Amino acid sequence: AQSVTQPDIHITVSEGASLELRCNYSYGATPYLFWYVQSPGQGLQLLLKYFSGDTLVQGIKGFEAEFKRSQSSFNLRKPSVHWSDAAEYFCAGAGYGGSQGNLIFGKGTKLSVKP
Amino acid sequence: DSGVTQTPKHLITATGQRVTLRCSPRSGDLSVYWYQQSLDQGLQFLIQYYNGEERAKGNILERFSAQQFPDLHSELNLSSLELGDSALYFCASSAPLPKGTGELFFGEGSRLTVL
Repeated sequence: AQSVTQPDIHITVSEGASLELRCNYSYGATPYLFWYVQSPGQGLQLLLKYFSGDTLVQGIKGFEAEFKRSQSSFNLRKPSVHWSDAAEYFCAGAGYGGSQGNLIFGKGTKLSVKP
Repeated sequence: DSGVTQTPKHLITATGQRVTLRCSPRSGDLSVYWYQQSLDQGLQFLIQYYNGEERAKGNILERFSAQQFPDLHSELNLSSLELGDSALYFCASSAPLPKGTGELFFGEGSRLTVL
């Protein structure tokens, strides 16, 4: 079955430190992959997406993600975290053999930022 | 602002009751998706409509139904409500491929509390 796994439920980093949030996927073929961020009381905002091509994807707010087929991973990174990055982050995948946008989400990783 | 509008933002009701959640997609988007977000289940895809027709169905209970109207707004109807239906319900929309890139734009959600 198709799935997206985020192994870390909660991560705390210090402001200015680097960040890596993990995401693993299980699909029959290479899925379309996304990272979304959800601030408290808000909807989900797309940070970046991977469809094909360059495996290092740049997104908004200084985030990037790297697609690694051999590891079935699509980890999100940021070199220097800001306090405003505290939020919940969701990795999602979609197989576009059928329904567009039928995203399967990971359980999310809550990011806390220490001053 | 994603351009997706959901009403109401908050709703409190009793078990056994019926509620209707409303969603207006972004201008020009033909697809509407409904997701349920709860603490134990995470973000779950419920159903997708494309230009008025049901396109895909996920983990949607039989007590729930949805429709998309000619003006493309959508409604999610939840009936015979149970305590476990308390959740945040998101609507999302997307532009059709190939014009779109598969990205979903989410509304801010409707928080349903069943007492």
